[in-house]
Order: sequence, then structure tokens, then C-alpha cells
Amino acid sequence: DAGITQSPRYKITETGRQVTLMCHQTWSHSYMFWYRQDLGHGLRLIYYSAAADITDKGEVPDGYVVSRSKTENFPLTLESATRSQTSVYFCASSRQGLGTEAFFGQGTRLTVV
Amino acid sequence: GQQVMQIPQYQHVQEGEDFTTYCNSSTTLSNIQWYKQRPGGHPVFLIQLVKSGEVKKQKRLTFQFGEAKKNSSLHITATQTTDVGTYFCAGTNTGNQFYFGTGTSLTVIP
Repeated sequence: DAGITQSPRYKITETGRQVTLMCHQTWSHSYMFWYRQDLGHGLRLIYYSAAADITDKGEVPDGYVVSRSKTENFPLTLESATRSQTSVYFCASSRQGLGTEAFFGQGTRLTVV
Repeated sequence: GQQVMQIPQYQHVQEGEDFTTYCNSSTTLSNIQWYKQRPGGHPVFLIQLVKSGEVKKQKRLTFQFGEAKKNSSLHITATQTTDVGTYFCAGTNTGNQFYFGTGTSLTVIP
């Protein structure tokens, strides 16, 4: 049972490049989420999705794009990476939505140089 | 601004001592959750509280939801080295907005 997996685990990219972080879940959970975690800020919601082809903005969506063509995948794209987007990114899924038990992936540590 | 505040930000305790972290919201919450994140790990769900004044226990962990549903606490009795990590609360306000707290990092000194 793989659960929820993120790839890559570590990524270094240059300012201005496009980078995509992948998230895959095997539970068929309806909801999926992307968070970023920075010191002093805890976890902040970037985007979430209630189902395939349904996405919505979270607290800090600027500079990010998401898509959800299949229930099991929820990629996060940084269209033109900036140094302020250096962070640890967590993908999560849940059966019932925001404010319910969520299962987190292992995280992707992204460094923008 | 931050919708859900946690205190303290850091806590060092001797093994065997108790530990408490507090979560405070400026607005009423419909529910609150607690997560634990081990160093280098990912958040893991611990519990959800929904009712005003609710108290739940998990072995040495006691979770409370305030009467006004604006605050919550997590208390660990007789800490062990396995309790090391960062504890986050997360709440949904009545506008259906969801926020994680800033977390409390617990260090347990053997």
C-alpha cells in the first residue's frame, strides 16, 4: 500500500525555471492538497482539489498552478520559480475535505538558486 | 495574518516532565485537529475535536477544545524521547477557512 507519494524528494532549480512537483495517491481520496512549510509559518495551504477537474485557491496560491485530470494525481507547477519559493512542499489527501483527517506525503524539499 | 496561533514556539523538557501546547484562534472554530511531525518527517494526524468543551485522551496525550471553541490544548504526561517533534493544531473557522497553527517544537532531554 503506497499511500501517497511525492516526487522528487529533493530538487534544486534556478530562478525563472519552471518546475513541477508530483503527487500520487492510491486511496482514491476525493480531496488533495498542496502545502508549503517554512520556518515560522507552519504549513500554509497553496491549492486544493475536491475532485478531478475541480481546484481552488488556498492561502498562498500566487506563483503556482495545479491541475487534476485524474483523481490519483495532483501536480503542482511553479511557472517561474523565485527564491521565495524555496520551501518544503507537502502533498496531502483526505476523504472528506478541509478540516478533516488528512494523510501527508513525505515532502519535497525545493531550493531555488 | 496568522489565524491560529500556538504557544510556546519551542519547549525543552526533561524526560518524565509534562508538556502542554496551546492553540488560540481569533475566531470561533467549527473543529480543530492536532498533528505531530517528527524531525525530518511529515505531519501525522493525531485527533479531531468538534464539540465545545470536548476532552479526548490517547494514552499519555490529552486534548481539549475550549468552551468558546476558540482555543485548544494538547497535554502530554510524563514525556518520553519518542514524543520529540513539532505539534501543530489546525482549525476550520465558521467561514470554512482552514489554517494550521505555527507549531510547538518539543525537545525531550533524556
